[in-house]
Amino acid sequence: GESVGLHLPTLSVQEGDNSIINCAYSNSASDYFIWYKQESGKGPQFIIDIRSNMDKRQGQRVTVLLNKTVKHLSLQIAATQPGDSAVYFCAENINNFNKFYFGSGTKLNVKP
Amino acid sequence: DAGVTQSPTHLIKTRGQQVTLRCSPKSGHDTVSWYQQALGQGPQFIFQYYEEEERQRGNFPDRFSGHQFPNYSSELNVNALLLGDSALYLCASSAGPDQPQHFGDGTRLSIL
Repeated sequence: GESVGLHLPTLSVQEGDNSIINCAYSNSASDYFIWYKQESGKGPQFIIDIRSNMDKRQGQRVTVLLNKTVKHLSLQIAATQPGDSAVYFCAENINNFNKFYFGSGTKLNVKP
Repeated sequence: DAGVTQSPTHLIKTRGQQVTLRCSPKSGHDTVSWYQQALGQGPQFIFQYYEEEERQRGNFPDRFSGHQFPNYSSELNVNALLLGDSALYLCASSAGPDQPQHFGDGTRLSIL
């Protein structure tokens, strides 16, 4: 399944499928990006980050892709599990000021 | 190793009152940032403290103020509370101003 962030705020996928959550950022000066997962009643949980000198970074079951040309960021989750159900935010940081701007998030529903 | 801790978890105030929220950063972290998260939205940056000084500030009125102590813990103060200040207030800490931020579970503030 694929999401385009604000235009499709909810993404439903089947357990075991791969998920792709997209994020369009606004400022070409943004040079550091973080993906967060937020479960109900909890604070955002760090998933993975990427700096603008890279275009891909992999973690455990997750991959972040950065396309600076079109100012687009994506989070790929492999073999999605019910525990991945949450709201996912991308956050951008401009010029190393460590003042992160968050999007409105994408809700991921994983169907068993 | 404790993560970011915030207190209290919930708070109810009335309009015009003042409130103080507290944050203890993750062990080894010296930078604290505060965010406001309205229901259904992404966190919005309020300000960041490093070396006991406010280093960055978001678009919030000066009713919002803060402090960082020598042990790196921090307080967020809000004066003259308005109904619109009802939100989840999140604290994030990092090992430096340009490092990944890790969040606590927040303080849910309700204004009556």
